Amino acid sequence: GAGVSQTPSNKVTEKGKYVELRCDPISGHTALYWYRQSLGQGPEFLIYFQGTGAADDSGLPNDRFFAVRPEGSVSTLKIQRTERGDSAVYLCASSLNQRGGNSPLHFGNGTRLTVT
Amino acid sequence: ELKVEQNPLFLSMQEGKNYTIYCNYSTTSDRLYWYRQDPGKSLESLFVLLSNGAVKQEGRLMASLDTKARLSTLHITAAVHDLSATYFCAVDWGEYGNKLVFGAGTILRVKS
Repeated sequence: GAGVSQTPSNKVTEKGKYVELRCDPISGHTALYWYRQSLGQGPEFLIYFQGTGAADDSGLPNDRFFAVRPEGSVSTLKIQRTERGDSAVYLCASSLNQRGGNSPLHFGNGTRLTVT
Repeated sequence: ELKVEQNPLFLSMQEGKNYTIYCNYSTTSDRLYWYRQDPGKSLESLFVLLSNGAVKQEGRLMASLDTKARLSTLHITAAVHDLSATYFCAVDWGEYGNKLVFGAGTILRVKS
């Protein structure tokens, strides 16, 4: 079946602009996660959704970052007033259940965001 | 704050050799994951380790977890070129779900 789908795959934007990154999780996966990966580093947690609600948004770096999942499926990560330091690969992942258990996170291919 | 350290960060090895990647973490957790990432690609789940003493094997890779020592190992047996990739361990930190804290990754290069 289809995996986690992220669009766009690449996004170049100017400093100060607004961007939206979309994630379509695996069908039936109730848990959805956003991570950010900078070059040469491991992914860093941003936010976790269980269904429609953000169960943990403690990883969002500041109030310029916001994410929604209105119908419990597709999620959008929104970044306002982008800064060059926001440049990274934004990864979305989904899993079957709440604490993972035997279900690991399934990651999408990511959106590479470049802020010029 | 949970810290996850991997070593080595870079490993160059000859085909046919054995080696171990180590993952240490700073706070109690009983869930640890290993992922593989190829250049420009996303992360692929390799192993899920859910309890002390857990050992999982797939092909030439074997992972183990010692929760008392806060240590996981990824052992490579008779390496082949196709194993070249970056390997991440990640520890489950979240109260509600997979709030994973990743190590910095180990870049593995297997030379023919």
